[in-house]
Amino acid sequence: AQSVAQPEDQVNVAEGNPLTVKCTYSVSGNPYLFWYVQYPNRGLQFLLKYITGDNLVKGSYGFEAEFNKSQTSFHLKKPSALVSDSALYFCAVRDRYSSASKIIFGSGTRLSIRP
Amino acid sequence: DTGVSQNPRHKITKRGQNVTFRCDPISEHNRLYWYRQTLGQGPEFLTYFQNEAQLEKSRLLSDRFSAERPKGSFSTLEIQRTEQGDSAMYLCASSSAGADTDTQYFGPGTRLTVL
Repeated sequence: AQSVAQPEDQVNVAEGNPLTVKCTYSVSGNPYLFWYVQYPNRGLQFLLKYITGDNLVKGSYGFEAEFNKSQTSFHLKKPSALVSDSALYFCAVRDRYSSASKIIFGSGTRLSIRP
Repeated sequence: DTGVSQNPRHKITKRGQNVTFRCDPISEHNRLYWYRQTLGQGPEFLTYFQNEAQLEKSRLLSDRFSAERPKGSFSTLEIQRTEQGDSAMYLCASSSAGADTDTQYFGPGTRLTVL
């Protein structure tokens, strides 16, 4: 069965500092991995995805994520946080060889950037 | 590209009433998904359409829930005899059949409150 774990409910970072939001996954095959962001009272916005190729994936708003197969992780990173990055972040996974198109989401990590 | 739209944005109903939500996907996206999100949790998959065919349904989708996509464009999600446990955000997403098929784009959601 597919699953995603986001071990931190909340991450607090000072503006200008680097940030990391952690994600680990479990799938039976090779994964497709995603990060989404959710602002209050809004739907999820796609940030980036890993399908194949380079383990370092760059996405929207200066975010990037690194796929680590041995650690089954896909941590989200940004070199310099902005107050406007404060939001709820979701990691998601899909089994590459699954016939189902659904993706499984983690429980989310609330990122708070203080000025 | 106007994005995925959902109506209504908010719905308050009394227990036992029926409700219907609508989702308009990104034009020419042939895949459409419904998810449910409760407070503090990530979205949970409910069902998936490819064109007008409903290809997968979650066990979360009880007999009181029904979804349709009659012409392969917009979709409706109906909940009959609503219960307080149905209170949640209902999210719709769509994806294309092309190179970006694995990226699901989400609408703003319909927040349902059952009194």
